[in-house]
Amino acid sequence: SQTIHQWPATLVQPVGSPLSLECTVEGTSNPNLYWYRQAAGRGLQLLFYSVGIGQISSEVPQNLSASRPQDRQFILSSKKLLLSDSGFYLCAWTEQAHNEQFFGPGTRLTVL
Amino acid sequence: DQQVKQNSPSLSVQEGRISILNCDYTNSMFDYFLWYKKYPAEGPTFLISISSIKDKNEDGRFTVFLNKSAKHLSLHIVPSQPGDSAVYFCAASALGTYKYIFGTGTRLKVLA
Repeated sequence: SQTIHQWPATLVQPVGSPLSLECTVEGTSNPNLYWYRQAAGRGLQLLFYSVGIGQISSEVPQNLSASRPQDRQFILSSKKLLLSDSGFYLCAWTEQAHNEQFFGPGTRLTVL
Repeated sequence: DQQVKQNSPSLSVQEGRISILNCDYTNSMFDYFLWYKKYPAEGPTFLISISSIKDKNEDGRFTVFLNKSAKHLSLHIVPSQPGDSAVYFCAASALGTYKYIFGTGTRLKVLA
């Protein structure tokens, strides 16, 4: 069966510090991978998605970036965090387009 | 521009009764719709989906109805249970795209 992992579960970072969140999927090949952010009291905002290694589509201009160095690994990064980057970050995968999307457990990021 | 809207931020229902959660969309290219349940500090859990070629899909206590002419879908939970208390998100995807657009969520509270 397929499993999706995210780490860390929680993170507290000062403004201006770098960020690296990692997501890995097990039990499937060539998944479509996604990063979402849920701000407090808000819906799920799509940040990035990837349909293959090295292929990244950005949905929202911001100081975040994403990379997919391996088939089942998706990384969310920032060089300098802003207060507004605080939120709950979710990684998700689908087997192919137009299919059920499955989410990881999420990372709670607090920028102080 | 919010393409997927959940206009009721919260809903309270008595245990054993029916819960009806609503979702409206504006993009006529959407043809695949999903419902998710989310507990605090966890990733969303997939509940049920429906393709635009259908107007109803059932899975146990959960039924999703799609009204394409009204660009409206609803999730019915019968009977409602206290464990159903969570935030429910609807999402939509358009054929030929890899993106899933989420609504802002409805918080369901099932009262014992």
